[in-house]
Amino acid sequence: DAGVTQSPTHLIKTRGQHVTLRCSPISGHKSVSWYQQVLGQGPQFIFQYYEKEERGRGNFPDRFSARQFPNYSSELNVNALLLGDSALYLCASSLYRGSLLSNSPLHFGNGTRLTVT
Amino acid sequence: AQSVTQPDIHITVSEGASLELRCNYSYGATPYLFWYVQSPGQGLQLLLKYFSGDTLVQGIKGFEAEFKRSQSSFNLRKPSVHWSDAAEYFCAVDRGSGGSNYKLTFGKGTLLTVNP
Repeated sequence: DAGVTQSPTHLIKTRGQHVTLRCSPISGHKSVSWYQQVLGQGPQFIFQYYEKEERGRGNFPDRFSARQFPNYSSELNVNALLLGDSALYLCASSLYRGSLLSNSPLHFGNGTRLTVT
Repeated sequence: AQSVTQPDIHITVSEGASLELRCNYSYGATPYLFWYVQSPGQGLQLLLKYFSGDTLVQGIKGFEAEFKRSQSSFNLRKPSVHWSDAAEYFCAVDRGSGGSNYKLTFGKGTLLTVNP
């Protein structure tokens, strides 16, 4: 079975531009989360979506938005890009909303490397 | 505020030696704790998780971790390291409403180098 797939793998944008990152969860998974990993740091939670509704949001500005589609895939959008948005953006999927059910671990994709110049 | 501290930024061990990676957490409620591994250019792979019960948790690739509530620690161990274990290791706590929503807080990671 395919794992979590993200596209594109690499992206270079200019300050002030807009970017859309895409994620396809593992088949059957209904929850998608987004994390930002700046070089040398651990991932930081951005959003979680479950059954097409936002279930959680991290401490990120309104320039960051996301949505989940009926097929459970997801998009992360970032407007007015800043140099500090350069990072690896990780998508993760799980069967259920949370870790309470031990058979619902969080599976991560390989990420999209965004460089803002 | 919830946080995770990994005191060691970089650890070097010889192949075959034992390994312990430290993790301390700050969280008010019962923590749900995880260890992930990240190889260069890759996403995160779950090694093991602790929800409740037995404080010694077994994971994949021969790793284990011990939850110590009194020390707020969740250290990762492996008795004999292989060269393929070289990677970055992240400890994380789930602060999502007692496990009902995923909202992981990660430490800054420990980079493991394995010498032949």
